[in-house]
Amino acid sequence: QVQLEQSGAEVKKPGDSVKVSCKASGYSFTSYGFSWVRQAPGQGLEWMGWISANHGRANYPQKFRDRVTMTRDTSTNTVYMELRSLRSDDTAVYYCVRDYSYRRDYWGQGTLVTVSS
Amino acid sequence: DIVMTQSPDSLAVSLGERATISCKSSQSILKSPNNENHLSWYQQKPGQPPKLLIYWTSVRESGVPDRFSGSGSGTEFTLAIDNLQAEDVAVYYCQHEMFGQGTRVEIK
Repeated sequence: QVQLEQSGAEVKKPGDSVKVSCKASGYSFTSYGFSWVRQAPGQGLEWMGWISANHGRANYPQKFRDRVTMTRDTSTNTVYMELRSLRSDDTAVYYCVRDYSYRRDYWGQGTLVTVSS
Repeated sequence: DIVMTQSPDSLAVSLGERATISCKSSQSILKSPNNENHLSWYQQKPGQPPKLLIYWTSVRESGVPDRFSGSGSGTEFTLAIDNLQAEDVAVYYCQHEMFGQGTRVEIK
């Protein structure tokens, strides 16, 4: 069965960087892409970008283009999301999501990132 | 970036009645050459990740009850929930790349 296992919760200070991992299993890793989606407490869903697991090509919305980098490691079937220059309003649950042609069908369990001084 | 806007922000519907949610994109999401609209709908309940309901505008994900249906094209899309059940109380999101702001569905 498809599983997306994310890394554990993180506590960071303003200005720090965070790197969240997501290990995929149960399907052909390079046949799909991944999106990263975050959700601040009590707020809606926010798309942070997409990466092709096959080519490693990534696409980011304007809001995150200067602060986020998504990468993947095909030897371990793992994707990574790094967010830099953290602020308090980056406090959120971060999800990795399997994404095929805008169909986001499997979601990781989520990783809580807390940014606090 | 294409912005998605949902309406209403919340609605209350009686059990067994129909709920309708609108989603509009800031520009057409119709993709050639197959004339596909890559619009998905998700349901989120408290403390859970979102669940995919509908993809490519009108295709129900496996296991989703047929009381959920999607329609639309270009810039205007709709999610309909027929015969609303208590377990349908949730927040619903539309998505192309970005997500709409969400619509909370409650029982009247």
